[in-house]
Amino acid sequence: DGGITQSPKYLFRKEGQNVTLSCEQNLNHDAMYWYRQDPGQGLRLIYYSQIVNDFQKGDIAEGYSVSREKKESFPLTVTSAQKNPTAFYLCASSMKSRPNTEAFFGQGTRLTVV
Amino acid sequence: GQQVMQIPQYQHVQEGEDFTTYCNSSTTLSNIQWYKQRPGGHPVFLIQLVKSGEVKKQKRLTFQFGEAKKNSSLHITATQTTDVGTYFCAGQDSSYKLIFGSGTRLLVRP
Repeated sequence: DGGITQSPKYLFRKEGQNVTLSCEQNLNHDAMYWYRQDPGQGLRLIYYSQIVNDFQKGDIAEGYSVSREKKESFPLTVTSAQKNPTAFYLCASSMKSRPNTEAFFGQGTRLTVV
Repeated sequence: GQQVMQIPQYQHVQEGEDFTTYCNSSTTLSNIQWYKQRPGGHPVFLIQLVKSGEVKKQKRLTFQFGEAKKNSSLHITATQTTDVGTYFCAGQDSSYKLIFGSGTRLLVRP
């Protein structure tokens, strides 16, 4: 059954700790994205990747890091440099062949700093 | 950089009334996509518009892409309680960067 999987669903972090959010897809999509959503707000782009071993910063990349060592995986690390990390994090993937570039989203990870 | 603005921020309607949300990009887009996010859920793709002036319909939903490919709208005719959620437009330029608007939250009174 094809899809995009994020884990964990809920994550609690102590201040000063780094945490890594997992995102895996078996849709054979080239492009992958990470978005942050705050309560009642839109989706802000953190990082995106169009191909393995390459990624670009989005609008709010500071305090985050990513890697794209495999086509299927695009993990996001929230570092201690991110001053306000509590949010809902969404991973998405899409094909690169136009015009079918609609994004498929995972279920999301809710990160809370305690 | 590319920005996508969406209005209104929220709208509260009586069931049966119509609803429209508008999307404007600071740059020309290759395509525009629309998504719906139910409360507590994740965004789900509704439709993609590619051509200048394109209009597409899905039952009670009508989507338009502007002639200059910088704006779009979503219109829902005769809203139902199942339409509740947040509607996002997302613009994609010549790269594969996908930028979302701030969303319009729709509340429907039964």
